[in-house]
Amino acid sequence: AQTVTQSQPEMSVQEAETVTLSCTYDTSENNYYLFWYKQPPSRQMILVIRQEAYKQQNATENRFSVNFQKAAKSFSLKISDSQLGDTAMYFCAFMSGGATNKLIFGTGTLLAVQP
Amino acid sequence: GAVVSQHPSRVICKSGTSVKIECRSLDFQATTMFWYRQFPKQSLMLMATSNEGSKATYEQGVEKDKFLINHASLTLSTLTVTSAHPEDSSFYICSARDGRGNTEAFFGQGTRLTVV
Repeated sequence: AQTVTQSQPEMSVQEAETVTLSCTYDTSENNYYLFWYKQPPSRQMILVIRQEAYKQQNATENRFSVNFQKAAKSFSLKISDSQLGDTAMYFCAFMSGGATNKLIFGTGTLLAVQP
Repeated sequence: GAVVSQHPSRVICKSGTSVKIECRSLDFQATTMFWYRQFPKQSLMLMATSNEGSKATYEQGVEKDKFLINHASLTLSTLTVTSAHPEDSSFYICSARDGRGNTEAFFGQGTRLTVV
């Protein structure tokens, strides 16, 4: 079974600084997708960024980028120029490329951006 | 992006009663919908996967007779918590995916259920 591990329960960063959130996963599959979701205090889940396992190039979305290390099964999220609105719970998630297509979430990292 | 509407956002019910939560895809056809449960400061735990027109697939440990899921149309799935007890109090979230191979799942706003 696939598992997703986030080893940092809480992180703090100063506004305008850069922070990296860690995520590792375990799978025997070769075709899969990885995601980072943000859950602000409103509790609405928001997709931050996604990565297809077959792509070697790391995904980037404005201030958000990932470091995808397939062999190490690592998928970290880097947030540049942190903003107060980035304060949220961040979940790493895995989705098989097979028929099940369900999202498996990590335990989350609570990020606090300090003014 | 696509919109998923979940209703109600909050509900309080008495122990022993049933409560229904609706999840609607507003601008796309959701062939697959997912129901999650989230305890405070914890992750989302998948309860079940439902495909339109067929029975839901429940995750291990989830009581299918207690958490009834219906996905009768391509835009609506419902979760009914039957004979609710205080331990069923939680935050329930639905998500939906269209049938066009899109990997992104769109989430509802969630429902906070309190059983008193």
